[in-house]
Amino acid sequence: AQSVAQPEDQVNVAEGNPLTVKCTYSVSGNPYLFWYVQYPNRGLQFLLKYITGDNLVKGSYGFEAEFNKSQTSFHLKKPSALVSDSALYFCAVSEGQGFSFIFGKGTRLLVKP
Amino acid sequence: SQTIHQWPATLVQPVGSPLSLECTVEGTSNPNLYWYRQAAGRGLQLLFYSVGIGQISSEVPQNLSASRPQDRQFILSSKKLLLSDSGFYLCAWEGPNVGANVLTFGAGSRLTVL
Repeated sequence: AQSVAQPEDQVNVAEGNPLTVKCTYSVSGNPYLFWYVQYPNRGLQFLLKYITGDNLVKGSYGFEAEFNKSQTSFHLKKPSALVSDSALYFCAVSEGQGFSFIFGKGTRLLVKP
Repeated sequence: SQTIHQWPATLVQPVGSPLSLECTVEGTSNPNLYWYRQAAGRGLQLLFYSVGIGQISSEVPQNLSASRPQDRQFILSSKKLLLSDSGFYLCAWEGPNVGANVLTFGAGSRLTVL
């Protein structure tokens, strides 16, 4: 069965500093990996995905994530955090066509001015 | 363009009452559709997903059911609500193209059971 873990409930970072939000996964086949962001009382918005190819994927709003097969990780990163990046971030995994999407419990990112 | 609608946006219901949340998608055909529940503003729990009319997969045994009476309509129901059914319910479709592997979410329906 597929699963995804986000080990941190909250990440605090100062504006302008780099940020990392961690995600590890478990699937029996090749993983399809995703990051979504949620602002208060809203649905989730897609940020980026990894299906195949380059291990470093770039997404919306300057975010990027690195797929590491040996560590089964897909950490979300941004070189310079903005206060407006403060939100709830979800990592998700799928085994591809015909499989559902499983989400982590979410990590709250707080960027302080 | 494709859009997804959920309603009602907010619902307050007494324990034991029925529930119907509706989700419709426009601008696409034969989408894969999903219902998730988010409790206490945190993690998403997959409830149901559907790959076609009348085809429903249930991920978690519970007090809820889902139906897909039309290609672009996905309904979440309950005959008798429990306090534990309170939460933020999110509908999503997989698109914009088949195999795109990206979920697009509706704005959500917040259910409070009293």
